[in-house]
Amino acid sequence: ETGVTQTPRHLVMGMTNKKSLKCEQHLGHNAMYWYKQSAKKPLELMFVYNFKEQTENNSVPSRFSPECPNSSHLFLHLHTLQPEDSALYLCASSQDQGSGGGEQFFGPGTRLTVL
Amino acid sequence: GQNIDQPTEMTATEGAIVQINCTYQTSGFNGLFWYQQHAGEAPTFLSYNVLDGLEEKGRFSSFLSRSKGYSYLLLKELQMKDSASYLCAVVDSNYQLIWGAGTKLIIKP
Repeated sequence: ETGVTQTPRHLVMGMTNKKSLKCEQHLGHNAMYWYKQSAKKPLELMFVYNFKEQTENNSVPSRFSPECPNSSHLFLHLHTLQPEDSALYLCASSQDQGSGGGEQFFGPGTRLTVL
Repeated sequence: GQNIDQPTEMTATEGAIVQINCTYQTSGFNGLFWYQQHAGEAPTFLSYNVLDGLEEKGRFSSFLSRSKGYSYLLLKELQMKDSASYLCAVVDSNYQLIWGAGTKLIIKP
């Protein structure tokens, strides 16, 4: 595997379900990001981890819970989501978080639908 | 507040030239990125500008004017595969990336 991978690619869940999104980067980067992308809206930064430590939480509801066990892996745990949480969730990594992190490398995303 | 403005959608003809504009109002400036995102795929890096002027990279060029809070992405010799969304993003004074909503470019034969 190369670059940034995400699983699953598609996820449909009910509002009472618990699921997790997984991201893995094979680039040796130190910073990892979760973004939410909704149609015709700017990318919304959700969380940033730098050297496994959370450095940003942009007022994300607690029904989204990130986990970063090491510099290569990032998870987003989902619980009691709302239909408005349906979106494309993108994971990205960069060498570090300085200067905007430099170039960010994105995974293909998880298309989430909440029923 | 911080704001990035780009046209929502543009249409151009195969073989032609198109310019996608981006204007920004941010708290500080530490560089500007352009990314390309094909439908259903991940955004991919195109260019980074931090100094004024034009950066050319093959068929794609990116221009920056910091005094005007303005950038553009110029695509030459358009090909059908250039149909995608183009995202403008600015690094602010806190080194956070502020993203525009993207410009959907439609290429017609």
